[in-house]
Amino acid sequence: QMQLQESGPGLVKPSETLSLTCGVSGGSINTSSYYWGWIRQPPGKGLEWIGTFYHTGDTYYNPSLKSRVTISVDTSKNQFSLTLTSVTAADTAIFYCARQDLRRGYFDYWGQGTLVTVSS
Amino acid sequence: DIQMTQSPSSLSASVGDRVTITCRASQSIRSFLNWYQQKPGKAPKLLIYGASSLQSGVPSRFSGGGSGTEFTLTISSLQPEDFATYYCQESYITPRGTFGGGTKVEIK
Repeated sequence: QMQLQESGPGLVKPSETLSLTCGVSGGSINTSSYYWGWIRQPPGKGLEWIGTFYHTGDTYYNPSLKSRVTISVDTSKNQFSLTLTSVTAADTAIFYCARQDLRRGYFDYWGQGTLVTVSS
Repeated sequence: DIQMTQSPSSLSASVGDRVTITCRASQSIRSFLNWYQQKPGKAPKLLIYGASSLQSGVPSRFSGGGSGTEFTLTISSLQPEDFATYYCQESYITPRGTFGGGTKVEIK
């Protein structure tokens, strides 16, 4: 059974860097069949796609966040990571990692989400 | 960028009601439209992909329709466990994707 689990600090100071990891079990991230992505949701608000990576090393980012976002992968640990620099209070959100279908682009498996608060 | 607009933003309905939610795209996305259900404190759950294909395990009272720029999600007979927020997501230029603003379905 495919499972994803986000981990990382729940509190980050303004102007600092947010770093999260998504551990995957029940399947390999080094697969040609799927993308792997990050989505966030500010408390009480809607969903925003942050970015996605493919096993070839290709990465795709939301243009509104592109200058501050990096997605990287550690295939030996079957996990991928999100880095968001220069955070502000507006970056406070629940962050989800998810598996994304290669052809149709839907997200079919999601982590439970982790709340990251940006505050001093 | 493709913009996705959902309507209504919220609705009140009773158990047994037929409910329809609309999602409009700012340009044609053919059938690259997906629907999710999200309950409080939980991750979104995929309901419909490719505009009208039911994800495995999802009850048949959920159905999706449309193509191009206008899409619908219909719940044929609302059940107590269906009270949630529903999101559409376009995936026309996969893996990029934009979500709609959400529709909260509340108990009347």
